[in-house]
This record gives sequence, C-alpha cells and structure tokens, in this order.
Amino acid sequence: AQKVTQAQTEISVVEKEDVTLDCVYETRDTTYYLFWYKQPPSGELVFLIRRNSFDEQNEISGRYSWNFQKSTSSFNFTITASQVVDSAVYFCALSTNAGGTSYGKLTFGQGTILTVHP
Amino acid sequence: NAGVTQTPKFRVLKTGQSMTLLCAQDMNHEYMYWYRQDPGMGLRLIHYSVGEGTTAKGEVPDGYNVSRLKKQNFLLGLESAAPSQTSVYFCASRRKQFNQPQHFGDGTRLSIL
Repeated sequence: AQKVTQAQTEISVVEKEDVTLDCVYETRDTTYYLFWYKQPPSGELVFLIRRNSFDEQNEISGRYSWNFQKSTSSFNFTITASQVVDSAVYFCALSTNAGGTSYGKLTFGQGTILTVHP
Repeated sequence: NAGVTQTPKFRVLKTGQSMTLLCAQDMNHEYMYWYRQDPGMGLRLIHYSVGEGTTAKGEVPDGYNVSRLKKQNFLLGLESAAPSQTSVYFCASRRKQFNQPQHFGDGTRLSIL
C-alpha cells in the first residue's frame, strides 16, 4: 500500500522568510512519481512539479526548490523569500505503476496549510 | 483553455435526495478520476475510469456511482445523499502515460442537510 505523510499541519511565516514543507512517502514499488500541488484560497488544485523515482536531482524553479532523497523517502519543498501570494494548502502526492495496473491513481498527503503574513 | 470543467460549483441537498455531478474535459485525456476532499484528510479517490465505458472503484466508493459514456465526460452520482457525503468534490483527468500529471477541475462544494 502507498502512503504519503505531511507531518506539518500548519505553518505560519512572515514574508521574506524561507519555509520548507516536508513530505515522506511509503511504497514497495521501485517505479513511482511524486508530485506537489498547490491549493490557493480560491480552491483549485494547481500542479507544481513531478519527479520520478529514478531522478534524484534537485530542482529549482524561481523561488521554489525541491529536494528528493530516496534514502529517506522524502520529497521536500522549499520556498525562499516567501510572499503573501504563497499562502495556500500544499499537497504532496504519490503515483505508482504497480505492475501497470495502478492507472496513475494518486495517493495524497493530508496537506500543509501555509500562511505567509505581511 | 477550458481544461477540466465541473458542474455545478455549489449545491445544497437534503438527506435522501439524489444528484449528479458532471465533469467534462477537452484535452482528450484517457483517464479520469473523482476525488473528495475533507478537512485534514487530503484528497481521497472515489472512482476512476481508464476509458470510455469503463469505471473502477477507488478508496471510498460507497454511496456513489459513476458513468463514462463519452470519453470527455465523467459523471458522479449520489443516489440517496447522506450528511457524511458533505464534502468538496474534485474531478481530474490525465493522459494514459504513466509520467503525466493529473489536471483538476475547480471543485464542487456539496452540502447535505
């Protein structure tokens, strides 16, 4: 069975602070994808990034960066110089191939509510 | 740039009433999904479909039925609504290649009184 844990329920920071959102996953499959989605106060779910299990390169996109470590089964997300517009719920999710039968079903973490104060 | 469109956006039902949520996607995606989102629980998969005419159960299918008569549409039905089905419902779609992300609609907020 797959499981995704986001231990931080809520995080509150002041604008311009750096913040890291933690994500730990469990799976027995060797081939899988990890995702981060953002849910702003308006409610829609926005895809941020995808990482496959064979690519442990960190990625940076503007103020966002992701650190994937298979050794600790973690896929953490860092926002540098946070802004008020970053306030949202952030979800980490896992998709495995399970022998080609999982059909891309996503297992979501519980989400982390990030509030950035001006 | 419609993407995934959910109808309606809000609905209030009385216990025992029935209704259908509609999901339409214009990206020619093969796979479609229905999730529910409840506080502190993330999103949980209700049902999914890997093609026209096929559906399968997800993690929390009880009390729901689905149909996919056309590739672009995925319907979620509640035959006899219960207060426990008060939730925000999201539809998603994606291409069948394993590495593709799911694209989500804006959600339907459903309250059962």
